[in-house]
Amino acid sequence: EVQLVESGGGLVQPGGSLRLSCEASGFTFSTSWMHWVRQTPGKGLVWVSRIKSDGSYTTYADSVKGRFTISRDNAKNTLYLQMNSLRAEDTAVYYCAGRGSGYVDYWGQGTLVTVSS
Amino acid sequence: EIVLTQSPGTLSLSPGERATLSCRASQSVSSSYLAWYQQKPGQAPRLLIYDASSRATGIPDRFSGSGSGTDFTLTINRLEPEDFAVYYCQQYGSSVLTFGGGTKVEIK
Repeated sequence: EVQLVESGGGLVQPGGSLRLSCEASGFTFSTSWMHWVRQTPGKGLVWVSRIKSDGSYTTYADSVKGRFTISRDNAKNTLYLQMNSLRAEDTAVYYCAGRGSGYVDYWGQGTLVTVSS
Repeated sequence: EIVLTQSPGTLSLSPGERATLSCRASQSVSSSYLAWYQQKPGQAPRLLIYDASSRATGIPDRFSGSGSGTDFTLTINRLEPEDFAVYYCQQYGSSVLTFGGGTKVEIK
């Protein structure tokens, strides 16, 4: 059974940092592209970032470029999202997702990030 | 960045009816790299369609996708009670991926 389990969400002040993790199991993580997608409660999906299976290629949404960094550790089957200079508009549920370079087969249940003073 | 506009925002239909959802791109989507997802309250999205018209594993054949270029359509034939949800399109033909704003299919 495919499982993606996110952790690391919580309350952070504007300008602060947070690191999200996503532990994968049930599929071959090391050959899968991985993504982060976020969703403000009650709103639509917003793609955030993706990383190639070997970590050699990454892309970001314009809204997070320069502030967020996606990375992975294939030995630990874990995906990361380092979020710096957080803003109120970054408040959302962050989903870890994966498999292809574009469309996404596998989704986690999400972790809530709240940016507020 | 390619902007995806979904219409209508809400579709009110009865079980057994056909749903037709539209997704229009601000520029041509390369190689019809467009996907559709279904999301129910409190759940993560589920992949329905990829490459504009290919059904994902385990998706019933009442779901079909079509289109190319800038205009894409998701059709749900004979709506079942479990099909009432929010549907999103997503393009992956450019280096920056984007989702549409969603269409809610609700029970009339």
